Amino acid sequence: AQKITQTQPGMFVQEKEAVTLDCTYDTSDQSYGLFWYKQPSSGEMIFLIYQGSYDEQNATEGRYSLNFQKARKSANLVISASQLGDSAMYFCAMREGEGMDSSYKLIFGSGTRLLVRP
Amino acid sequence: KAGVTQTPRYLIKTRGQQVTLSCSPISGHRSVSWYQQTPGQGLQFLFEYFSETQRNKGNFPGRFSGRQFSNSRSEMNVSTLELGDSALYLCASSLVVGRNNEQFFGPGTRLTVL
Repeated sequence: AQKITQTQPGMFVQEKEAVTLDCTYDTSDQSYGLFWYKQPSSGEMIFLIYQGSYDEQNATEGRYSLNFQKARKSANLVISASQLGDSAMYFCAMREGEGMDSSYKLIFGSGTRLLVRP
Repeated sequence: KAGVTQTPRYLIKTRGQQVTLSCSPISGHRSVSWYQQTPGQGLQFLFEYFSETQRNKGNFPGRFSGRQFSNSRSEMNVSTLELGDSALYLCASSLVVGRNNEQFFGPGTRLTVL
């Protein structure tokens, strides 16, 4: 069965430093997608970055990059140059299959609460 | 372009009542998914609608139901509310074109059952 594991319930990082949030996944599908979302205290889920299982390059979006290690089934999020506004919950999620023919159902991990210290 | 909107934002109900939540996806998005978020269970998938058809359903009792209209707007209904239904209900929409995979979430409806 699909499963997402985030082993860090909470993390601290100093402002302007980089931080890595861990995510491992389990699936028997060959085709899948991995997502990271940010959830501030307001509750809205903000899409950060996406990595497809067949993508050979690690995804990057501004200060966010995804360290994708397929053989190890890990998809860690790296935030460079942390800002105070990065303080939030971060969720890793997986979708089995890619493209319009597959369901858009997401399986989420339990999340990591990141606190950026000034 | 307007984002995903959900109404109402906050709702207080009592046990045994029923509730309807609404979600308007981003214009042009055809897939709408619903999730329940609680401190104990985290984020759990409820169901997904695509072109007015339920494409996938999570492991929730039949009290939870939904539908999608021809304009892609979606509603979910919870009947005979229980205390454990108190949660943040999130709706997400997707464009569904080629390999586009991004899903955009609305601000959520926070339901409290007393």
